[in-house]
Amino acid sequence: RKEVEQDPGPFNVPEGATVAFNCTYSNSASQSFFWYRQDCRKEPKLLMSVYSSGNEDGRFTAQLNRASQYISLLIRDSKLSDSATYLCVVKVNYGGSQGNLIFGKGTKLSVKP
Amino acid sequence: EPEVTQTPSHQVTQMGQEVILRCVPISNHLYFYWYRQILGQKVEFLVSFYNNEISEKSEIFDDQFSVERPDGSNFTLKIRSTKLEDSAMYFCASINTGNTEAFFGQGTRLTVV
Repeated sequence: RKEVEQDPGPFNVPEGATVAFNCTYSNSASQSFFWYRQDCRKEPKLLMSVYSSGNEDGRFTAQLNRASQYISLLIRDSKLSDSATYLCVVKVNYGGSQGNLIFGKGTKLSVKP
Repeated sequence: EPEVTQTPSHQVTQMGQEVILRCVPISNHLYFYWYRQILGQKVEFLVSFYNNEISEKSEIFDDQFSVERPDGSNFTLKIRSTKLEDSAMYFCASINTGNTEAFFGQGTRLTVV
């Protein structure tokens, strides 16, 4: 079973559309949750952390359901510049270590004019 | 803004040769990581490093791989005898104590021919 699974995509949407990405994780020891954005052939960059209470940053809203082991990202009023691959990432801590990040394969978003 | 820097940006090497990928983490960060991303695939954890020793490593990180922090600033990944399947983007990342955000370098594209 894959540790972090995401919608495979690609999502092709017009500017201004609302788009939602889903993600599930298998390791119940996962402690921190993130959405990263990755542009083609570039490094992953943190988009936002995800909290159980849900959090919003401008047009972006993230939700976490620990019971279902489910994470979501909603993008409202999508822009051309939102075109990228969105990576669902969980952090698993083992023992006393800082832990490491486990990445989903990513969902590609393409916003068209 | 502080950043993680990696050199070289692109390395081409012949199969069987040794390569060393270099990273300079953010200066006050204490946890260091190497990840790799084969073209079209997900970002995969290789190894984490703290207090001058490996904290954790994945199944990918076999005897052909080693990491070192030779001085106070550099963090290196060595592949002793490269294989064609080692061709990938290698990302270095660092995290500060008490911080959950991982900062990624721009990556080194390794091509084994």
